Amino acid sequence: DTGVSQDPRHKITKRGQNVTFRCDPISEHNRLYWYRQTLGQGPEFLTYFQNEAQLEKSRLLSDRFSAERPKGSFSTLEIQRTEQGDSAMYLCASSPDWGSDTGELFFGEGSRLTVL
Amino acid sequence: QKEVEQNSGPLSVPEGAIASLNCTYSDRGSQSFFWYRQYSGKSPELIMFIYSNGDKEDGRFTAQLNKASQYVSLLIRDSQPSDSATYLCAVKNYGQNFVFGPGTRLSVLP
Repeated sequence: DTGVSQDPRHKITKRGQNVTFRCDPISEHNRLYWYRQTLGQGPEFLTYFQNEAQLEKSRLLSDRFSAERPKGSFSTLEIQRTEQGDSAMYLCASSPDWGSDTGELFFGEGSRLTVL
Repeated sequence: QKEVEQNSGPLSVPEGAIASLNCTYSDRGSQSFFWYRQYSGKSPELIMFIYSNGDKEDGRFTAQLNKASQYVSLLIRDSQPSDSATYLCAVKNYGQNFVFGPGTRLSVLP
């Protein structure tokens, strides 16, 4: 399977705990994106990487959120001191860097977070 | 003003009819425009992209772009019940960031 892989698929945690999600993009894709989606809404941009460099981060993202892509391959998204409002589907997507605006996003199946 | 706007729906059309989905965006510097389909509980999947003014056709789908009006649409001809899903409009800006609209829920009635 050469698609985008996310782990875990589901995470239930108590308020105040830390959680970490992992994303393995399509191997030849240089760009990796994190989005958050709640019921009835479109995906909300969180951050994106070009190789290992984090190029953009949403202003809506609090300091409790951090993302890394240390070797330009897989990425992790950590949420510290989770709050009930963090409950959402966290989507990872990757995109080829062909220097063209036609580079589409390929999404993983998502990691669903429930904060009790 | 939100960056990308869509009617949330639901939009209901009978089987075989044409479904018309609309999207407006606020950033005049936007470069590329995408339509994604998302089935309930699944991740978005690309249907079409367009980056030049005019129409682009792919099978039963036609995307239309009018940069002057900052408007992009998706037409689905001969709608099928399997087309029932949420359709997300996404706009890509110079920063290579994709901004999504809230989606329009389409229901095709048999």
